[in-house]
Amino acid sequence: AQSVTQLGSHVSVSEGALVLLRCNYSSSVPPYLFWYVQYPNQGLQLLLKYTTGATLVKGINGFEAEFKKSETSFHLTKPSAHMSDAAEYFCAVSEGTNFGNEKLTFGTGTRLTIIP
Amino acid sequence: NAGVTQTPKFRILKIGQSMTLQCTQDMNHNYMYWYRQDPGMGLKLIYYSVGAGITDKGEVPNGYNVSRSTTEDFPLRLELAAPSQTSVYFCASSGRQSTEAFFGQGTRLTVV
Repeated sequence: AQSVTQLGSHVSVSEGALVLLRCNYSSSVPPYLFWYVQYPNQGLQLLLKYTTGATLVKGINGFEAEFKKSETSFHLTKPSAHMSDAAEYFCAVSEGTNFGNEKLTFGTGTRLTIIP
Repeated sequence: NAGVTQTPKFRILKIGQSMTLQCTQDMNHNYMYWYRQDPGMGLKLIYYSVGAGITDKGEVPNGYNVSRSTTEDFPLRLELAAPSQTSVYFCASSGRQSTEAFFGQGTRLTVV
């Protein structure tokens, strides 16, 4: 069974400051890991994903995440926050197959607020 | 490029009523999913389908039914609506080896 823990349901950072959203996972098989962003009244949009290979993954809008197997973590970072980054962020895990069947297990989400 | 389309966007149901949430995708994806999103709970998988004619239960299937008669469509049926089914419902799809699920805009359902 898989699970995802997101530490901090609400995170506030000043505009221009570092964004760090934490995600830890549990999986009995090598996982695929994802970060999704949800803007108000919208669906989820993929920010970035880790499947295999390089453990530092770059995504859209300047975000990146690093897969650390020893720490079972996949934290999301952005060097300089922008007002447009205000949204809810979800970390998710899937079983990691090559067949595209992405049954995702989601964390409970982190709402990011940007302080002007 | 429509992607995943859900209808309706909003609906209020009375307890005991039934309804079907529609989902269609135009990306020729084999896999489709229904999730529900509740505040502070993230998204939970209700049902999924690996292709036309094949469906399976997810984590929270009770009170729901699905069918998949075509590759494009994956409707979710609520037979006897209950207040516990008040939620935002998201449909998603993914293609073979894409490792990315594409989500619809959601249906906000209130059962009163």
